[in-house]
Amino acid sequence: AQSVTQLDSQVPVFEEAPVELRCNYSSSVSVYLFWYVQYPNQGLQLLLKYLSGSTLVESINGFEAEFNKSQTSFHLRKPSVHISDTAEYFCAVRGHTGNMLTFGGGTRLMVKP
Amino acid sequence: SAVISQKPSRDICQRGTSLTIQCQVDSQVTMMFWYRQQPGQSLTLIATANQGSEATYESGFVIDKFPISRPNLTFSTLTVSNMSPEDSSIYLCSVNSDEQYFGPGTRLTVT
Repeated sequence: AQSVTQLDSQVPVFEEAPVELRCNYSSSVSVYLFWYVQYPNQGLQLLLKYLSGSTLVESINGFEAEFNKSQTSFHLRKPSVHISDTAEYFCAVRGHTGNMLTFGGGTRLMVKP
Repeated sequence: SAVISQKPSRDICQRGTSLTIQCQVDSQVTMMFWYRQQPGQSLTLIATANQGSEATYESGFVIDKFPISRPNLTFSTLTVSNMSPEDSSIYLCSVNSDEQYFGPGTRLTVT
């Protein structure tokens, strides 16, 4: 079984400031890791994922996340946020042999002008 | 990739009634998943639906309350039965193709 903890339920930040959304997981098996974004009144979209290889993964809109196996973390970062990044961000894990995603509680990123 | 549509997109229902949510995928998939997202909370898996077999329910969810159909490889329905206000949530359909895709969700309000 897996579990995911997102330590911050809300993160307010000013536009153009850096941001880090924290994600820690626990699992008895090797996992794949994901970040999903949910913009207001929209469905879930995959932001980025770690399956194997380089522990640093990037999205097309400037977000990146680093898989840290020793700390069982997969924190999401962006060096400079935009108003349009305001959304709910969910960290999720899936076992290598499973099909089920386990989600964290979500972090609401609120970017202020 | 997979494109998922859901109907209805939203509904307001009276307690004690039932609502059936439809999920259509633009490609054939083996497994379909139904999630619930309660207000201000994360996603919780309700059940996994394979074509031609009974759905597998997660702890806390039962078939009598959330019956699921999976008549073919591109379609599934989830029924929320005998609704109460606590069932007010967004219900999402999901499939696992090359990655996990989610439908736009059905926003249900029970009064």
